[in-house]
Amino acid sequence: KAGVTQTPRYLIKTRGQQVTLSCSPISGHRSVSWYQQTPGQGLQFLFEYFSETQRNKGNFPGRFSGRQFSNSRSEMNVSTLELGDSALYLCASSLQGAGANVLTFGAGSRLTVL
Amino acid sequence: DQQVKQNSPSLSVQEGRISILNCDYTNSMFDYFLWYKKYPAEGPTFLISISSIKDKNEDGRFTVFLNKSAKHLSLHIVPSQPGDSAVYFCAASEARAGSYQLTFGKGTKLSVIP
Repeated sequence: KAGVTQTPRYLIKTRGQQVTLSCSPISGHRSVSWYQQTPGQGLQFLFEYFSETQRNKGNFPGRFSGRQFSNSRSEMNVSTLELGDSALYLCASSLQGAGANVLTFGAGSRLTVL
Repeated sequence: DQQVKQNSPSLSVQEGRISILNCDYTNSMFDYFLWYKKYPAEGPTFLISISSIKDKNEDGRFTVFLNKSAKHLSLHIVPSQPGDSAVYFCAASEARAGSYQLTFGKGTKLSVIP
């Protein structure tokens, strides 16, 4: 069974631009979450979607947004990029998105902002 | 305010010996705990989990111990192998209706020396 697929794997942008990252969850998984990983900060929660609805949002500015489509695929968008947005962006999916559930992660999208 | 802490950024262990990775948490509402392993250029991979109703869970060479009164959990790897060299993240979640997120520690880089 295919895992979580993230595209693109690597991208370089300049300050002020915007970026859209895509995530295809495991078939049948309805919950999709996004995390940001930066050196020294571990993984920080961005937001979680379930059945096209954002259920929870982390402590990130409004420049970070996302959405989920009816087929559970998800996108996240970062507008007006800043140097500090350089990070590995990880998407994860789970079956129910609740309780004792395991998140399965994709390989991530490595964003570099120059 | 870091709710999940991994106080050792790195750990070196000889092949064949035991590796012990530690994790502390502050949120008493956490009721499910997980360990993830991450290799460079890959997403985190689920390793083992434990529910707050248990104090120990084993899976092959990996055992997780939970001490709720101390708000502490540890991951034991016995025997350690060079392929175990990776960054290990401790994560926690709470069963909240309508939401699901994992709170991660900053990770511990384990190096197993042949």
